[in-house]
Amino acid sequence: EVQLVESGGGLVQPGRSLRLSCTASGFTFGDYGVTWVRQAPGKGLEWVGLIRNRIFGETTEFAASVKGRFTMSRDNSRGIAYLEMNSLNTEDTALYYCTRSRTLVGAKYYFDNWGQGTLVTVSS
Amino acid sequence: DIQMTQSPSTLSASVGDRVTITCRASQSTNNWLAWYQQEPGKAPKLLIYEASILETGVPSRFSGSGSGTEFTLTISSLQPEDLATYYCQQYYQYPETFGQGTKVDI
Repeated sequence: EVQLVESGGGLVQPGRSLRLSCTASGFTFGDYGVTWVRQAPGKGLEWVGLIRNRIFGETTEFAASVKGRFTMSRDNSRGIAYLEMNSLNTEDTALYYCTRSRTLVGAKYYFDNWGQGTLVTVSS
Repeated sequence: DIQMTQSPSTLSASVGDRVTITCRASQSTNNWLAWYQQEPGKAPKLLIYEASILETGVPSRFSGSGSGTEFTLTISSLQPEDLATYYCQQYYQYPETFGQGTKVDI
């Protein structure tokens, strides 16, 4: 059974950093991309960024709103993906989901499994 | 960025009704479009990818159609468990973008 479990969320002050983890099981982790999607309280879904799978070089893409502040990495041997968030501001407050990202053609990724999310609250 | 606009934003329907949700893209997504269902308090779930391909395990009452910039999600016979918010998403171009969601009330 495919499982994704996010961790590392919590309350953090503006300007500080936080690292989220996404621990995967039930599939060959390195064969899939990982995308982070966030959802502010009562709002819709917002794409945060992607780390591609190994055949595509594990390269990353980010939304403009987080580019330069957030980074992603992955440890395929342990089945864990990381989202490092720096210079956090109140607009980053959201439930952060990690997703297993599948591509069939041309590195176009959609999200076939989601974790339950970890809540990040940025407040002084 | 490709803007995704869903309509309606909310809809009320009865069990057994045929329900259609529309998603319009500000430019062609080349059919790289997915639909997700988010039940209250839960994570989203993939329903449809590549505009019309039903994800394994998703009931056949769900279907997707469309091409280019206009897409639809249809529920052929609404069931009580379909109470949820539905999102379209384009994965043709970065940043990937979602529609604002359509809340289905029963």
